[in-house]
Amino acid sequence: DTAVSQTPKYLVTQMGNDKSIKCEQNLGHDTMYWYKQDSKKFLKIMFSYNNKELIINETVPNRFSPKSPDKAHLNLHINSLELGDSAVYFCASSLAEESEQFFGPGTRLTVL
Amino acid sequence: QKEVEQNSGPLSVPEGAIASLNCTYSDRGSQSFFWYRQYSGKSPELIMSIYSNGDKEDGRFTAQLNKASQYVSLLIRDSQPSDSATYLCAVKDWGNNDMRFGAGTRLTVKP
Repeated sequence: DTAVSQTPKYLVTQMGNDKSIKCEQNLGHDTMYWYKQDSKKFLKIMFSYNNKELIINETVPNRFSPKSPDKAHLNLHINSLELGDSAVYFCASSLAEESEQFFGPGTRLTVL
Repeated sequence: QKEVEQNSGPLSVPEGAIASLNCTYSDRGSQSFFWYRQYSGKSPELIMSIYSNGDKEDGRFTAQLNKASQYVSLLIRDSQPSDSATYLCAVKDWGNNDMRFGAGTRLTVKP
């Protein structure tokens, strides 16, 4: 199947831990993104990568770091997890910067 | 601050009726406009994209764009219970890679 995939689907962890979420797309897209959707369902962009180059970095804490080993992958690493990091994190990709984005299934992160 | 505003709803329509979803945006530089549908517990799914003023139709869905009024809407004809979801408006300008989403409108179609 051609798609955007994320792992894991659910992630439950303790405060202070470090965790990673992986994202892969086999659509041949040039740009990938990470979004956070909070409990109020508001979807906010965190990062985007175009050809392995960070394009935008919204005002997210530097505990969050995107890592892109190649054009098809954009992983999200989070250090020193806090309660407020609990949310659903979506990966997305687009063919070009101006075109529509396609979303992965999401990772529900719960920090206890 | 570039804003995308939507009525959070809930919007309730009877089956077979037309559902009208509205969105306004503040950034006049916006060039690309998208409607996404998100079922509870699922990821956003692209329904329509529109780039120029006027109407764009795809099946039961029609997107309308008025850049002068900074307004974009989505009409769903012959609404079905399966259309019950949250609809997200998204706006993007070509100057940067920043796509901004509205908070979404929750639509309920009652049988």
